[in-house]
Amino acid sequence: GNSVTQMEGPVTLSEEAFLTINCTYTATGYPSLFWYVQYPGEGLQLLLKATKADDKGSNKGFEATYRKETTSFHLEKGSVQVSDSAVYFCALSDRGSSNTGKLIFGQGTTLQVKP
Amino acid sequence: GAGVSQTPSNKVTEKGKYVELRCDPISGHTALYWYRQSLGQGPEFLIYFQGTGAADDSGLPNDRFFAVRPEGSVSTLKIQRTERGDSAVYLCASSPGQPSPGEQFFGPGTRLTVL
Repeated sequence: GNSVTQMEGPVTLSEEAFLTINCTYTATGYPSLFWYVQYPGEGLQLLLKATKADDKGSNKGFEATYRKETTSFHLEKGSVQVSDSAVYFCALSDRGSSNTGKLIFGQGTTLQVKP
Repeated sequence: GAGVSQTPSNKVTEKGKYVELRCDPISGHTALYWYRQSLGQGPEFLIYFQGTGAADDSGLPNDRFFAVRPEGSVSTLKIQRTERGDSAVYLCASSPGQPSPGEQFFGPGTRLTVL
């Protein structure tokens, strides 16, 4: 079945450090891929998405590229800020025959950025 | 505009009791999803509505769980004979229309604690 695997956290970085959070997936068909973020005390928000192979999603300085050959969608940011401290979830939506749009999430990676 | 709202924000109940959790989606959104998020995990899909009908209930864990959306707007998740293992945050999300690889807007969740 479909699944998403993220690198385990927590990830602790100093401000302005480079961030990578790894995400790999298993899916039948051609899924869409997402990164969601959950800031402390807030609900899940979409951070970025990519709908086909080689697409790059980007938002707020974060980027992720849909790599079909490695079934990966790693999240990167060149220079993190304290305000980026949050839990990050990788997710996929299978656009197969059922096409319900339901999301399958990874377990989440906690990022803590220190000043 | 108003986002997805969920009530109550917190619910504490005793084992064996019945609970109802409510979701008000964004006005005009025809697709509605319920997810369950256990501590330290990503959200897990429960059920999807397109309009009034449950188009995919494959994520409901057993027949103690049931959800309705009688007028195609507000939805209620109902849990009978609650068990301690039902303790989790229950998330609702809505999206504009036909399933597409687009954005689901999440509510803040209802934290259910079964004593």
